Amino acid sequence: DIQMTQSPSSLSASVGDRVTITCQASQDISNYLNWYQQKPGKAPKVLIYDASNLETGVPSRFSGSGSGTDFTFTISSLQPEDIATYYCQQYDNLPLTFGGGTKVEIK
Amino acid sequence: EVQLVESGGGLVQPGGSLRLSCTASGFTFSSYSMNWVRQAPGKGLEWVSYIGSSSSTIYYADSVKGRFTISRDNAKNSLYLQMNSLRAEDTAVYYCARVGGRGTHWGQGTLVTVSS
Repeated sequence: DIQMTQSPSSLSASVGDRVTITCQASQDISNYLNWYQQKPGKAPKVLIYDASNLETGVPSRFSGSGSGTDFTFTISSLQPEDIATYYCQQYDNLPLTFGGGTKVEIK
Repeated sequence: EVQLVESGGGLVQPGGSLRLSCTASGFTFSSYSMNWVRQAPGKGLEWVSYIGSSSSTIYYADSVKGRFTISRDNAKNSLYLQMNSLRAEDTAVYYCARVGGRGTHWGQGTLVTVSS
């Protein structure tokens, strides 16, 4: 199974700050990576697919980069509505595997 | 618009059974593989099972192998998860999901609670 190591597990930042989350795969997954946002009581919502493509309707302050084993997710200017838990997920191989999540809070 | 709607969750005793359903609309269901993913209360996301578009390929997580059975009815645009011998650790929200880059969509989930 491909292990996805996501960090940090939580972070606290101020409105307007740049926020960065990393995800490392245990083997090469090319660009087969999704980034999700999940708010309490809601299903995960895809923000970024294929590692760097912004899903339709998602604000441009969200971005993703990387390929192979190392990936980065960035919120360029944190907004209050961005409070959520974020997950990376690889779909190169079954079983689908997820990072452990990053809980983002406002300082 | 792609929609995935799960149903069938509820409270069940340890050792009991439950059948989850997921009804798809807005896309050609028979052309896509599908998955079940679960999330225990306060925990992360765990993939449970995969079924190919024609049901010829099926995979399970080790944690559910031998107890859960995934199936689909392409004529009814429906995905199923038969869950037997349920345990307390199976308590979770269960999501059906079409996963694959741009085409990724998740349902809203259905809660399964295993408790006496």
